[in-house]
Amino acid sequence: GAGVSQSPSNKVTEKGKDVELRCDPISGHTALYWYRQSLGQGLEFLIYFQGNSAPDKSGLPSDRFSAERTGGSVSTLTIQRTQQEDSAVYLCASSYTGFDLDSWEQYFGPGTRLTVT
Amino acid sequence: SQQGEEDPQALSIQEGENATMNCSYKTSINNLQWYRQNSGRGLVHLILIRSNEREKHSGRLRVTLDTSKKSSSLLITASRAADTASYFCATALNQAGTALIFGKGTTLSVSS
Repeated sequence: GAGVSQSPSNKVTEKGKDVELRCDPISGHTALYWYRQSLGQGLEFLIYFQGNSAPDKSGLPSDRFSAERTGGSVSTLTIQRTQQEDSAVYLCASSYTGFDLDSWEQYFGPGTRLTVT
Repeated sequence: SQQGEEDPQALSIQEGENATMNCSYKTSINNLQWYRQNSGRGLVHLILIRSNEREKHSGRLRVTLDTSKKSSSLLITASRAADTASYFCATALNQAGTALIFGKGTTLSVSS
């Protein structure tokens, strides 16, 4: 079946502009995660959505970052007034939540490479 | 701060050799997972080991977990050029569906 998809694959924007990054999770997956990966670094957790519960926003680096998930499916990560330090690959992942071991595995999209000039 | 730290940061070996990567973490975990990333893009899940397990195998992969030392190792046997990638350990703290905490990864280069 279809995996996690993200768009755009690459985004170049000028400092100070707003950007929106989109994630389409695997159908049926109730949990959706956003991570950020800077050059040569590991993944930094940003935010996650679990069903209809309030999202865990504890990883968002500043109030310029926000995310929403509409209808329990597609998610959009918005970065306002972008800064050069926002340049990174933004990865989305999804998982289904159950009581078996498989529900721990996260399925990642290919990422959006954001470059702020 | 990072929960997991991989060691070494970079590893270069010849095809056919074994590759061992280590991961240390700080807090109690429910399970530990290893992921592979090619070309700086999406990650692929490799293997999961529960906190009450000590060793697990999957094909050419062998993972060990020592909860007393808060460390894990990933062994890739008989490496191939296609194994060239970055490898990350990730820890899951509590219930399923919570975010994973990743280390900075080990970059493995396998030359033919």
